Amino acid sequence: QLQLQESGPGLVKPSETLSLTCTVSGGSISSSSYYWGWIRQPPGKGLEWIGSIYYSGSTYYNPSLKSRVTISVDTSKNQFSLKLSSVTAADTAVYYCARLTPVVELNENQGVIITTPFGWFDPWGQGTLVTVSS
Amino acid sequence: DIQMTQSPSSLSASVGDRVTITCRASQGISNYLAWYQQKPGKVPKLLIYAASTLQSGVPSRFSGSGSGTDFTLTISSLQPEDVATYYCQKYNSAPPELTFGGGTKVEIK
Repeated sequence: QLQLQESGPGLVKPSETLSLTCTVSGGSISSSSYYWGWIRQPPGKGLEWIGSIYYSGSTYYNPSLKSRVTISVDTSKNQFSLKLSSVTAADTAVYYCARLTPVVELNENQGVIITTPFGWFDPWGQGTLVTVSS
Repeated sequence: DIQMTQSPSSLSASVGDRVTITCRASQGISNYLAWYQQKPGKVPKLLIYAASTLQSGVPSRFSGSGSGTDFTLTISSLQPEDVATYYCQKYNSAPPELTFGGGTKVEIK
């Protein structure tokens, strides 16, 4: 059974860089077809997609965070990581990692094809609370 | 950017009631919509994908419908364990715009 686990500091000072790692177990992060992602949830608020990465290193970011976000992958450790720079109190949130499920369809000539690799998130990690405070 | 608007933001219903939550996209998204349930203090759990496909293990009292811009999540008979916040999420082709709705908090009356 695929499991994801976030790790990293729970407290970050304003203007510094938030760094988190997601460790994948029960499966390989290098499995084709799957992107991996980070989502966050400020206390008492909704969910926000931060960005996603493929095992090859291909990344996509939420435009609202793109200037401050870097997501990387380490296939040898079956991990992917998040760095968010210049944090403020508004970045205080529970940070989740998750796997993106691709959308597939059955083509009569080609068999199963991927319509888009960017589908729904499942499974999710347990989440880790990161507080930005001095 | 395509915006996702959920309504209502909260509701209170009795056990056994039929509950309907709506998610509206600002532009058509075909059936590229998922629904999640998040119980208090817990991780979001996938309920439905492709607008109407029930995730394995999810009780059959949950159902989804819709296509284009208007989608609904229905709980046919509300149970105490369904107290949670429900989120819709749109997905799409590259570049991805993985946007969540604002959430609907469901409580028992």
